[in-house]
Amino acid sequence: NAGVTQTPKFQVLKTGQSMTLQCAQDMNHNSMYWYRQDPGMGLRLIYYSASEGTTDKGEVPNGYNVSRLNKREFSLRLESAAPSQTSVYFCASRSTGSGNTGELFFGEGSRLTVL
Amino acid sequence: KNQVEQSPQSLIILEGKNCTLQCNYTVSPFSNLRWYKQDTGRGPVSLTIMTFSENTKSNGRYTATLDADTKQSSLHITASQLSDSASYICVVSADSNYQLIWGAGTKLIIKP
Repeated sequence: NAGVTQTPKFQVLKTGQSMTLQCAQDMNHNSMYWYRQDPGMGLRLIYYSASEGTTDKGEVPNGYNVSRLNKREFSLRLESAAPSQTSVYFCASRSTGSGNTGELFFGEGSRLTVL
Repeated sequence: KNQVEQSPQSLIILEGKNCTLQCNYTVSPFSNLRWYKQDTGRGPVSLTIMTFSENTKSNGRYTATLDADTKQSSLHITASQLSDSASYICVVSADSNYQLIWGAGTKLIIKP
């Protein structure tokens, strides 16, 4: 099973350029997430989608947009990249669990550098 | 403010030795606590999920404990192996909207 697949794995952008990070999951999960991970900090939630057709802001949404294209795919777009967006980006999907115990499954990460 | 603090920041031990990683949290209302393992250059992988009523949970050589009264958790690794070298992240889930508060992680290095 592929699980959660992210593309691209590496990207270098110049300030002001735009790009889209792609994420797809094959586990039939309803919920999907985009996080960023910076050195010395915990993962921070950018956006999430509780189900197909819905998206919500997380902790650090500024400078990003998302699209839940269908149940499998959840993309993250940087409209005008800034050096502060240099980070490792992780997509995750969540299984259904009793109460709030659904398991998170992560992709391999996309390493973005903005010059 | 909801926070998760982990200690130590980094740890080096010899292969075969045991170690314990600590997690303190100030998250309310508490839903559950998770431990993740993150290998360098990879995404986090879940080790355990513990709810309020669970004090101990094991996953192979990994044993997590939870004291909801003192808001502390620990992850004990027994008979460490080189493949245990990774960052270990404590994550606390608050209430029912699936808000997760992530710790910064403990970087564990196992030396032969």
